[in-house]
Amino acid sequence: AQSVTQLDSQVPVFEEAPVELRCNYSSSVSVYLFWYVQYPNQGLQLLLKYLSGSTLVESINGFEAEFNKSQTSFHLRKPSVHISDTAEYFCAVKGGGADGLTFGKGTHLIIQP
Amino acid sequence: DTEVTQTPKHLVMGMTNKKSLKCEQHMGHRAMYWYKQKAKKPPELMFVYSYEKLSINESVPSRFSPECPNSSLLNLHLHALQPEDSALYLCASGWTPSYEQYFGPGTRLTVT
Repeated sequence: AQSVTQLDSQVPVFEEAPVELRCNYSSSVSVYLFWYVQYPNQGLQLLLKYLSGSTLVESINGFEAEFNKSQTSFHLRKPSVHISDTAEYFCAVKGGGADGLTFGKGTHLIIQP
Repeated sequence: DTEVTQTPKHLVMGMTNKKSLKCEQHMGHRAMYWYKQKAKKPPELMFVYSYEKLSINESVPSRFSPECPNSSLLNLHLHALQPEDSALYLCASGWTPSYEQYFGPGTRLTVT
């Protein structure tokens, strides 16, 4: 079984400042890791994924995340946030089998002007 | 194209009603999922279909009945629901169960 911990339920950041959203996971098997973003009253959008290969993964809108196996972490970072980044961010993990995603509790990113 | 569509967008039903939620994808994905999301909570897995066969049922009450008529379509039949079943129901699909999942916009269900 896997589990995900997102320690910060809410992160306020000023516009154009950098941000890091923390994610730690626990698993007894190899895992795949994901970040999803959810805007109000919408479904989840896949932001980033780590399946294998390079431990640093990037999205098209400036976010990046680094898989750190020794620290069992997959923190999400962005060097300069925009007001439109205000949303709920979920870190998720799954094993290699036919199982679903296990989500963290989510982090609400609040961008202050 | 990574679009998963869900209908209806909103649904209000009484506790004695029977209704169905529909999910469709035309990406050739062979894994499909139903999740339930309560307000201010993460999504929780309900069912997994792999190659049109039910592979996981996360101890969901029998008042929720999934159906996968073909590889593009996933239904969730609802009967005799309780007010606590009110939530956002999300459908997702993926190439195979081992890959990332793409979510639809959800159906917001209210049980009165």
